[in-house]
Amino acid sequence: KQEVTQIPAALSVPEGENLVLNCSFTDSAIYNLQWFRQDPGKGLTSLLLIQSSQREQTSGRLNASLDKSSGRSTLYIAASQPGDSATYLCAVNLQGGSEKLVFGKGTKLTVNP
Amino acid sequence: EPEVTQTPSHQVTQMGQEVILRCVPISNHLYFYWYRQILGQKVEFLVSFYNNEISEKSEIFDDQFSVERPDGSNFTLKIRSTKLEDSAMYFCASSESRGGSGEQYFGPGTRLTVT
Repeated sequence: KQEVTQIPAALSVPEGENLVLNCSFTDSAIYNLQWFRQDPGKGLTSLLLIQSSQREQTSGRLNASLDKSSGRSTLYIAASQPGDSATYLCAVNLQGGSEKLVFGKGTKLTVNP
Repeated sequence: EPEVTQTPSHQVTQMGQEVILRCVPISNHLYFYWYRQILGQKVEFLVSFYNNEISEKSEIFDDQFSVERPDGSNFTLKIRSTKLEDSAMYFCASSESRGGSGEQYFGPGTRLTVT
């Protein structure tokens, strides 16, 4: 059974700092991995999708990497801003005919001005 | 930019009542999903729907739940005889394809409170 873990559960940093969020998964047989942002009481905003054949994806100040063989992904946020404060979720899409995403519990990020 | 919409944003119902949660997926998408998130817990998959039938469902999705695409735009989740433990945020999602490039786009959610 696929398990997705995100460490740390919470992170507080000063504005301008570069930071890394971690995601690990137990079964490397995945189609892709998605990173989402969730603001309190709100929906999930897709940030980046990395296909299993890719090593990384970039969007603006965000860079996500994927090491499928070791079951790890990182989300790098450059020059963090207070507006980046949110919970960041990673989710994997399993191979083998399944379409579901399996989510981690998320990392709650606070960027202090 | 196209987006998934959901109504209502908040639904309060009494235990034992039926509720219908509504979603309008992105117009050219073919795959539709429901997920839920109980407060403080992980987002959990409920069901996926393609070509007018359920393609996959989780253990949570028992006979109490049903899904329907009543027309070309709406996608609904019906919960019969709601229980207290059904209180959660319910998210609808859609994707254009499945597999490696199948990015799922989520709606803003419906907060269901069962009293």
